[in-house]
Amino acid sequence: SQQGEEDPQALSIQEGENATMNCSYKTSINNLQWYRQNSGRGLVHLILIRSNEREKHSGRLRVTLDTSKKSSSLLITASRAADTASYFCANTGGFKTIFGAGTRLFVKA
Amino acid sequence: EAGVAQSPRYKIIEKRQSVAFWCNPISGHATLYWYQQILGQGPKLLIQFQNNGVVDDSQLPKDRFSAERLKGVDSTLKIQPAKLEDSAVYLCASSAGTGSGELFFGEGSRLTVL
Repeated sequence: SQQGEEDPQALSIQEGENATMNCSYKTSINNLQWYRQNSGRGLVHLILIRSNEREKHSGRLRVTLDTSKKSSSLLITASRAADTASYFCANTGGFKTIFGAGTRLFVKA
Repeated sequence: EAGVAQSPRYKIIEKRQSVAFWCNPISGHATLYWYQQILGQGPKLLIQFQNNGVVDDSQLPKDRFSAERLKGVDSTLKIQPAKLEDSAVYLCASSAGTGSGELFFGEGSRLTVL
């Protein structure tokens, strides 16, 4: 399978805490993206990091990329109950975008 | 700007029946994707169109699944005959570029095969 892996598969934290999700991929990439999916909804793009970048920030999101280890991490700081969702990394190599299995985040109020 | 539209949102059929899903991408988006998402898993790419040409359909079960994108705009995904394992959400997405940028997803079509 071309799909990468994410860990943890599920994460439960208290509101205000930080959440870190990791992603590993198998193929070479042009960029790596993170998406969010609320239950029963489509995926929403969060952030894109290019293969020549090592870190990127957007609001409460921080993404890192280590191409030598073929891995990325997503950090959500000061989490809120509304952050409860599934988070997917997607690696884009050439013209294809391949999604990982996702991390299910539950933020308790 | 209108988002990606999909219909129907929900469909329940018996195995061996047929079903079709429709997708209208964001206006002007050249690339259109169909993903299959089984409960608890990540989306799996079934087919990718660039305008009205197929870029990748390596994971499309061609004995039962077919897809077309007439005139490079709307797309239809058909399953005939359906199997129990086809129960999933079928997600349509589009992007402005050639497949390396942000994807915009529709809400999905949830298929239950009994």
